[in-house]
Amino acid sequence: SQTIHQWPATLVQPVGSPLSLECTVEGTSNPNLYWYRQAAGRGLQLLFYSVGIGQISSEVPQNLSASRPQDRQFILSSKKLLLSDSGFYLCAWSVMSGDTIYFGEGSWLTVV
Amino acid sequence: AQTVTQSQPEMSVQEAETVTLSCTYDTSESDYYLFWYKQPPSRQMILVIRQEAYKQQNATENRFSVNFQKAAKSFSLKISDSQLGDAAMYFCAFDMNRDDKIIFGKGTRLHILP
Repeated sequence: SQTIHQWPATLVQPVGSPLSLECTVEGTSNPNLYWYRQAAGRGLQLLFYSVGIGQISSEVPQNLSASRPQDRQFILSSKKLLLSDSGFYLCAWSVMSGDTIYFGEGSWLTVV
Repeated sequence: AQTVTQSQPEMSVQEAETVTLSCTYDTSESDYYLFWYKQPPSRQMILVIRQEAYKQQNATENRFSVNFQKAAKSFSLKISDSQLGDAAMYFCAFDMNRDDKIIFGKGTRLHILP
């Protein structure tokens, strides 16, 4: 069966520090991968999605970036965090467009 | 660009009663999928129901059903016989078939009153 793992679960980082959130999917090949951010009052905001290795589409041009170095690995990064980057980050995957999207457990990021 | 609107930030319903959550979307496409996801306090996202736009029949899953009005671009979720475990944030989502983006609304927080 397919599983998705996301870490770290909780992170407290100072303003200006770097960020790396990692997500891996097991039990499937060539999944579509997604990063969402959930901030209070803003619902689930799509940040990045990827349909294959090295293929990243950005929805929100901010100080965040994403990479997909391996088929089932998706990394969310920042070189310098802002206070506004605080939130709950969710990684997700699907087999293809129209299929159910499955979410990781989420990562709480607090920028102080 | 596609948008998803959930106009009810919060709703409350008495246990065992029926409640309907609203969702509207904006698209010029005809081939797409719609979803309702539930996020309980644990924050784990759970699929509630899925609707294919080319199917006229409304999807149902046990106590959950949708009212899909394609012309009106409306996709409401009806929860019958509400239970305490239904208390959660509910998100409506849109997936256009010709690309791989999945767009979510801002959510509706549902409270179940005992």
